[in-house]
Amino acid sequence: DAGVIQSPRHEVTEMGQEVTLRCKPISGHNSLFWYRQTMMRGLELLIYFNNNVPIDDSGMPEDRFSAKMPNASFSTLKIQPSEPRDSAVYFCASSLRGRVGEKLFFGSGTQLSVL
Amino acid sequence: AQSVTQLDSQVPVFEEAPVELRCNYSSSVSVYLFWYVQYPNQGLQLLLKYLSGSTLVKGINGFEAEFNKSQTSFHLRKPSVHISDTAEYFCAVTEDYGGSQGNLIFGKGTKLSVKP
Repeated sequence: DAGVIQSPRHEVTEMGQEVTLRCKPISGHNSLFWYRQTMMRGLELLIYFNNNVPIDDSGMPEDRFSAKMPNASFSTLKIQPSEPRDSAVYFCASSLRGRVGEKLFFGSGTQLSVL
Repeated sequence: AQSVTQLDSQVPVFEEAPVELRCNYSSSVSVYLFWYVQYPNQGLQLLLKYLSGSTLVKGINGFEAEFNKSQTSFHLRKPSVHISDTAEYFCAVTEDYGGSQGNLIFGKGTKLSVKP
């Protein structure tokens, strides 16, 4: 298996633009997580899905952020409009059942820079 | 609410020396504890985890960690490090509500730098 695949690897955009980050989880995994990593705040859970359904989105910073999982093999995280403070590395991760203790498999991340 | 503190943001060490990366957590209930490693330009990988049973947990690449409930700690150790261990290490905790993996809370990470 190719692992969790994220695209793009790098995204540079201007303030106010819409940004869409993409994630393909490992085949067979039914839980998917979006994390954001910054120097100041470390690694923060934004939202997670179980069987394509959003379970907890309390980490989503504000209404400018939205996430979807239309099917078991694809998820998007959208920021509209983007702001410079959104600059961070965004990680997608998946696991088999989402139960406590199960291994999370992370993608390589998307480095987002909002100018 | 649960929280995790990694006391050192950076740890420089010479090759073949022992290393300990410190992690303390805060919780009012039972917890599960994890260490993840992030190599440059990569996502995190699970190093080891404590769920129950023996308080000494062994992981990949010769790392081990010991759960100490009285000190609310889960320090990571390796007796002899290699250059290839240079990475950022994250401690994580989740509370035992019978809940899901979504409650995993990460520390801010410790950058281990192994010098020749």
